[in-house]
Amino acid sequence: SQQGEEDPQALSIQEGENATMNCSYKTSINNLQWYRQNSGRGLVHLILIRSNEREKHSGRLRVTLDTSKKSSSLLITASRAADTASYFCARPRTPGSARQLTFGSGTQLTVLP
Amino acid sequence: KAGVTQTPRYLIKTRGQQVTLSCSPISGHRSVSWYQQTPGQGLQFLFEYFSETQRNKGNFPGRFSGRQFSNSRSEMNVSTLELGDSALYLCASSLELVGGNEQFFGPGTRLTVL
Repeated sequence: SQQGEEDPQALSIQEGENATMNCSYKTSINNLQWYRQNSGRGLVHLILIRSNEREKHSGRLRVTLDTSKKSSSLLITASRAADTASYFCARPRTPGSARQLTFGSGTQLTVLP
Repeated sequence: KAGVTQTPRYLIKTRGQQVTLSCSPISGHRSVSWYQQTPGQGLQFLFEYFSETQRNKGNFPGRFSGRQFSNSRSEMNVSTLELGDSALYLCASSLELVGGNEQFFGPGTRLTVL
């Protein structure tokens, strides 16, 4: 079962707008990762943020992590049609199990041209 | 550097049959993990291998098994297939066993059980 929840489940925006997706989790983490998946394909790693980091950037992506609230957010700025995909947050199932990832339910992002 | 490769990309089987899926990790990566993705259950961890040893296993029945070879390539096997095994099976590789290293996913094998 998934122990990370993401919201919204679906998000539709116009090209050029920003998209924000949120992820909540229940147990302590040492890192959290965000992935993108284009329809029915493999996952593409976007960003890994460690528990001692509050914010991380990669191009048009910005990830924040609030360990006190057990939540993270992914911001995509100046969205493009090519950003249309499902976005998942993932964390280790237990702090010591770096390779066992628990995924959230995902946010389906649609960017309209 | 080549990415994670999975073969075959698509499979159609019938109930009761068995299937073997293959995964070749990124060169130099010694950890391989497998995940099952279905519309109902989402992405679920199956198992992880490191240096030919299964390190962790998810909550799947014994019909799901796997192994890793000395060159880090991995296979997973599903026996006595059920309709509910229809899914996208994803393999991921990573560089180290410990630490917060990201996992790199292959394109997946789409298994359809009829």
